[in-house]
Amino acid sequence: GAGVSQSPRYKVAKRGQDVALRCDPISGHVSLFWYQQALGQGPEFLTYFQNEAQLDKSGLPSDRFFAERPEGSVSTLKIQRTQQEDSAVYLCASSPGAGAFYEQYFGPGTRLTVT
Amino acid sequence: AQKITQTQPGMFVQEKEAVTLDCTYDTSDPSYGLFWYKQPSSGEMIFLIYQGSYDQQNATEGRYSLNFQKARKSANLVISASQLGDSAMYFCAMRVGGTSYGKLTFGQGTILTVHP
Repeated sequence: GAGVSQSPRYKVAKRGQDVALRCDPISGHVSLFWYQQALGQGPEFLTYFQNEAQLDKSGLPSDRFFAERPEGSVSTLKIQRTQQEDSAVYLCASSPGAGAFYEQYFGPGTRLTVT
Repeated sequence: AQKITQTQPGMFVQEKEAVTLDCTYDTSDPSYGLFWYKQPSSGEMIFLIYQGSYDQQNATEGRYSLNFQKARKSANLVISASQLGDSAMYFCAMRVGGTSYGKLTFGQGTILTVHP
């Protein structure tokens, strides 16, 4: 079956531009996570959705970052007025249940480069 | 707060030999899960193995085994019979329950290079 997909795979943005990153989770998965991975580092949690509800956004680094999942399936991570420090790989993961011990399935990531 | 520490930035191993990648963790939650992921240069995060905090036996998955020492808070990954395709970045991660909703906390990673 289809896994988690993300688009675009690569995005180059000029500093100050807005970007939107899309995540298509595995069909029927309740939980959706966004992570940010800086070059040479481990991924860091950004935000969590359970269906359409954003239950945890404690990892979003600033109010320039906004995420939504309006119908409980596809999610979009939006970054406004991009800065160079936003350059990273953005990973999306989905999970079939809402509990902590369901496996998370990762997408291939979107590599964002801010110039 | 949860923390994962991987102290080996890079490791080298000869093909067909075994290698151990170190991971220590810190949490006050008695219920947690420990994971190892492989990230090749292509970027996808590949799940390798899982160990629950209440599991009595060490987890094994094919050539991967997890050396879980709860008292020491360590969860080292052992790869037996290394293959060239094992060259990648390896991440240890932890998940706890409660209001963390199962978000993963990752270590800094270890780059493994397998030599022919």
